[in-house]
Amino acid sequence: KNEVEQSPQNLTAQEGEFITINCSYSVGISALHWLQQHPGGGIVSLFMLSSGKKKHGRLIATINIQEKHSSLHITASHPRDSAVYICAVNEGQNFVFGPGTRLSVLP
Amino acid sequence: DAGITQSPRHKVTETGTPVTLRCHQTENHRYMYWYRQDPGHGLRLIHYSYGVKDTDKGEVSDGYSVSRSKTEDFLLTLESATSSQTSVYFCAISEKGWTEAFFGQGTRLTVV
Repeated sequence: KNEVEQSPQNLTAQEGEFITINCSYSVGISALHWLQQHPGGGIVSLFMLSSGKKKHGRLIATINIQEKHSSLHITASHPRDSAVYICAVNEGQNFVFGPGTRLSVLP
Repeated sequence: DAGITQSPRHKVTETGTPVTLRCHQTENHRYMYWYRQDPGHGLRLIHYSYGVKDTDKGEVSDGYSVSRSKTEDFLLTLESATSSQTSVYFCAISEKGWTEAFFGQGTRLTVV
């Protein structure tokens, strides 16, 4: 089974800071997903990527297939970015989830 | 937003009673999943379905059963609820099983 790890577990930043969350996995995959979960809220898919880089607004996701590593970057962070960010990989027809990174952005 | 709804959103039930959670989708996606989310464990797969009447167990399936009689509905049943099943339950859908997953809003279940 694929092991998915994330770092850091918790992250506190000041508004405007550049943020990086890391994800590593143990077995080769077809795709990796980044999800966002606000406190008490549902889970929203941010990105699905299998190579290179994707950008959506202030969010950028990158993946290095050879190194089995992905990063999620948030530029010009804002308090509304405060959430848990979850990395997930495909394993067959299922998903394996990382433990999540809890981000707090202070005004 | 993907059309996926869970019901109920909140439920309190007594130990030993049966409970059924419903997941309904309007996307006609083939794959449907039930997860539970607990502090310190992240999301764990309970059961999933890859078509009508086609289901399989996940890593934490003990005490749970599922049914899918229509493409749009995936039911999760706790035959006899226990306090260890107090959790937040999420349903998810995926078109092909390896494509993007869309999640419901979650059901908070408390077993007292």
